[in-house]
Amino acid sequence: QAGLTQPPSVSKGLRQTATLTCTGNSNNVGNQGAAWLQQYQGHPPRLLSSRNNNRPSGISERFSASRSGDTASLTITGLQPEDEADYYCSAWDSSLSTYVFGTGTKVTVL
Amino acid sequence: EVQLVESGGGLVKPGGSLRLSCEASGFTFSDYGMNWVRQAPGKGLEWVSSYSGTSNYIFYADSVKGRFTISRDNAKNSLYLQMNSLRVEDTAVYYCARGVFDTWGQGTLVNVSS
Repeated sequence: QAGLTQPPSVSKGLRQTATLTCTGNSNNVGNQGAAWLQQYQGHPPRLLSSRNNNRPSGISERFSASRSGDTASLTITGLQPEDEADYYCSAWDSSLSTYVFGTGTKVTVL
Repeated sequence: EVQLVESGGGLVKPGGSLRLSCEASGFTFSDYGMNWVRQAPGKGLEWVSSYSGTSNYIFYADSVKGRFTISRDNAKNSLYLQMNSLRVEDTAVYYCARGVFDTWGQGTLVNVSS
């Protein structure tokens, strides 16, 4: 099962804005939207944004998600040191009847 | 508090079997679809299997189809993953996750090695 495509790494300065992308196709991201997850080394992932771009309770407003066609995006504004983590997208693929995950993006705050 | 606790991981030889469990608390378990997701050492997340909440739909990744079996016991608020014919490449931390991944357990390590 093919995964969703994410850039391996993104580096931005403190308090800058980072935009992460997640590219799929019309059967997954384009059809169902994508959820976004954050994972610190050695910890389980946590949901940042559901596939309808809603933030769960407790997630900072600095994280916002959107979608255009087959590409989903996660924007992190006002980057903080604690935003250094791995970020994954995920979507349901209606053709494969499977979930697919992105390859992951490592965010570094300079 | 919504909580998921996995157990059952360990060291097993190639070709062996293990049964993972995920005990849920703090929510109405039967209302939610549940998932197993794994992460090999130093690698990304890989979806393994899902079991719907009430309609008994079950889905598997191609990499585990025919070898792994997902099940659930709503009376015990528990999700299971029976893993047979284990391979070295199945070595990973296995996570239990609720719904569309809104809650995760801490994971249990499965190490397949001779």
